[in-house]
Amino acid sequence: KQEVTQIPAALSVPEGENLVLNCSFTDSAIYNLQWFRQDPGKGLTSLLLIQSSQREQTSGRLNASLDKSSGRSTLYIAASQPGDSATYLCAVRSTEGAGSYQLTFGKGTKLSVIP
Amino acid sequence: NAGVTQTPKFRILKIGQSMTLQCTQDMNHNYMYWYRQDPGMGLKLIYYSVGAGITDKGEVPNGYNVSRSTTEDFPLRLELAAPSQTSVYFCASSLQGAGTEAFFGQGTRLTVV
Repeated sequence: KQEVTQIPAALSVPEGENLVLNCSFTDSAIYNLQWFRQDPGKGLTSLLLIQSSQREQTSGRLNASLDKSSGRSTLYIAASQPGDSATYLCAVRSTEGAGSYQLTFGKGTKLSVIP
Repeated sequence: NAGVTQTPKFRILKIGQSMTLQCTQDMNHNYMYWYRQDPGMGLKLIYYSVGAGITDKGEVPNGYNVSRSTTEDFPLRLELAAPSQTSVYFCASSLQGAGTEAFFGQGTRLTVV
């Protein structure tokens, strides 16, 4: 069964700092990995989708990398801003059986950017 | 540019009552999903659908039912509400399964008292 772990559970950084959020998964047989942002009381906003054949994806100040063989992904946020404060969720879509129909989520990293 | 729309946003139910959570998407996506999110836990899949008329159970289906009569709509039914169903419910959709991006609604916060 696929399991997704995100470390740290919470992170506080001063504004302007570059930071890295980590995601690991136990089964490397995946179709893709998706990073989401969730603001308090809100839904999930898709940030980046990385296919299993890709090494990284970039969108603005965000860069996500994928090392499928080691079961790891990182989300790099450059020049952090207070508006980046949110919970960041990592999710994978497995290739095995029913896992291909669902995203398996980590518990998230709660990021606070201090002005 | 609606995407995935869920109603209601908030609801309080008494134990034993029933309700339907509505979900509709305007992206012509084939796949739709219902997840629940409990504090400190990752999202868990309740039910999913790969197209109109086709549904299947996810990880935590007990106490819920779904139907998919159209491509756009995927309602989630709670028949006999229990306190354990207090949660935030998210509906999502994707064009296909493997390899495609999932889009989520804004969620329904349900409290059972």
